[in-house]
Amino acid sequence: DQQVKQNSPSLSVQEGRISILNCDYTNSMFDYFLWYKKYPAEGPTFLISISSIKDKNEDGRFTVFLNKSAKHLSLHIVPSQPGDSAVYFCAASRTNSGGSNYKLTFGKGTLLTVNP
Amino acid sequence: DAGVTQSPTHLIKTRGQQVTLRCSPKSGHDTVSWYQQALGQGPQFIFQYYEEEERQRGNFPDRFSGHQFPNYSSELNVNALLLGDSALYLCASSSPARGLETQYFGPGTRLLVL
Repeated sequence: DQQVKQNSPSLSVQEGRISILNCDYTNSMFDYFLWYKKYPAEGPTFLISISSIKDKNEDGRFTVFLNKSAKHLSLHIVPSQPGDSAVYFCAASRTNSGGSNYKLTFGKGTLLTVNP
Repeated sequence: DAGVTQSPTHLIKTRGQQVTLRCSPKSGHDTVSWYQQALGQGPQFIFQYYEEEERQRGNFPDRFSGHQFPNYSSELNVNALLLGDSALYLCASSSPARGLETQYFGPGTRLLVL
């Protein structure tokens, strides 16, 4: 049972345009969501996160939108650059009674290719 | 500021052997989580260590065990290796007790079991 799904294995966009990566989740207890970027032969690099009390978080070219009713989040990259080409992972976690998040549950990733 | 470091970077073992992977957390972090990433998959949570104790465990058999040292560094041990244990093993550090919830990952150790 995959609780975090990234249904698009790959996405190709032109440099300067918007990249939109999507993620769906099934566990309504998830309350913290993150996006990571991964280059080959490297570990995942944290990009941006959002708490379930918000519906939008922005950091430079990266914006994450959360739609709790649809159990859907998306990452927008504007403008896209060739250096953004990588695998993007969506991850989710839930806060325990002590206020801490433990494990991250990841999607399978989306390979983004930004063409010059 | 040093990030998360892992050693070794690559490892080749044969079935039935045992392996130990090492991780040093990011400065200021006290919690270490281990993940296994198979080819074409997202990372899968193995377990998390805090205050030298296993705090949460994913769906991995007892062949996977770990340890955290007083300096917060950690080891992942895998006994009786199977071909299916071939994967990228990722360590991540955080400090939830200090409000630092985000997990930062190391470069990983790529394990090949022959």
